[in-house]
Amino acid sequence: SQQGEEDPQALSIQEGENATMNCSYKTSINNLQWYRQNSGRGLVHLILIRSNEREKHSGRLRVTLDTSKKSSSLLITASRAADTASYFCATFNDYKLSFGAGTTVTVRA
Amino acid sequence: DVKVTQSSRYLVKRTGEKVFLECVQDMDHENMFWYRQDPGLGLRLIYFSYDVKMKEKGDIPEGYSVSREKKERFSLILESASTNQTSMYLCASSGLTVAGANVLTFGAGSRLTVL
Repeated sequence: SQQGEEDPQALSIQEGENATMNCSYKTSINNLQWYRQNSGRGLVHLILIRSNEREKHSGRLRVTLDTSKKSSSLLITASRAADTASYFCATFNDYKLSFGAGTTVTVRA
Repeated sequence: DVKVTQSSRYLVKRTGEKVFLECVQDMDHENMFWYRQDPGLGLRLIYFSYDVKMKEKGDIPEGYSVSREKKERFSLILESASTNQTSMYLCASSGLTVAGANVLTFGAGSRLTVL
C-alpha cells in the first residue's frame, strides 16, 4: 500500500529559486525520510526526520514534519541544475519503508 | 561506502520464462528489500528479509518469490514471467534498526521487459 503521497507531481523552477514539495501520509510513523532519484537510477537517501522532531536541516535541504496533520515538506534552497531529479518521501512503520509516487523537479538554467 | 549491486541493468524475457534478479551488498547489512517501481505508482515493496533464510511478504508478493541463502545476497525470482511484471526492480539494504531508523541504500535498478 502506498503510504505517502507527494504534491505536486511535477515542479519546474529557475536555477537559484527554491523548490518546495509536500508529502502526506496515512498512518502513524516512527520516522519520515526523503530520497532523490536521478533519471533511471536507484534512490539516494537525503534526510531523515523522526516523529518527535519538527524541523531538520542538511545543507540546502530543510524538512518539516507535522504529525498532527500527517504531513511533511521538503525545501531545497538556491536550486541548481544538478537538483533535477525525482524526490520521494518514505515513511517508516512496522519495520518497512513505504514510498510515495514522487515529485519530479526540473531546474532550468 | 555501502554498495548494493544488481547483476543486470536491463533484461528482456519472454512470457512464461523463469527470471532471476540478483542483488549483492557488501556492508554486512541484515535487512534487504526488493521493490518495483512503475510510473505514477512509486515504489512498491515486494519482499524483504531481515536475516539469512528469513523472508517477509511486502505489499505485492504475488507472482514473486525470493531467496536469501547468504547474508550478502538476496535474489528475486519470477517463476513464470508475465507482461504485467515489466517494470524497474530496485534492491536495497539497511543495517540493524536503531531507534526506529532504517535508512536504505539502493542498487542502480534492473529494468525488466517481458514480451
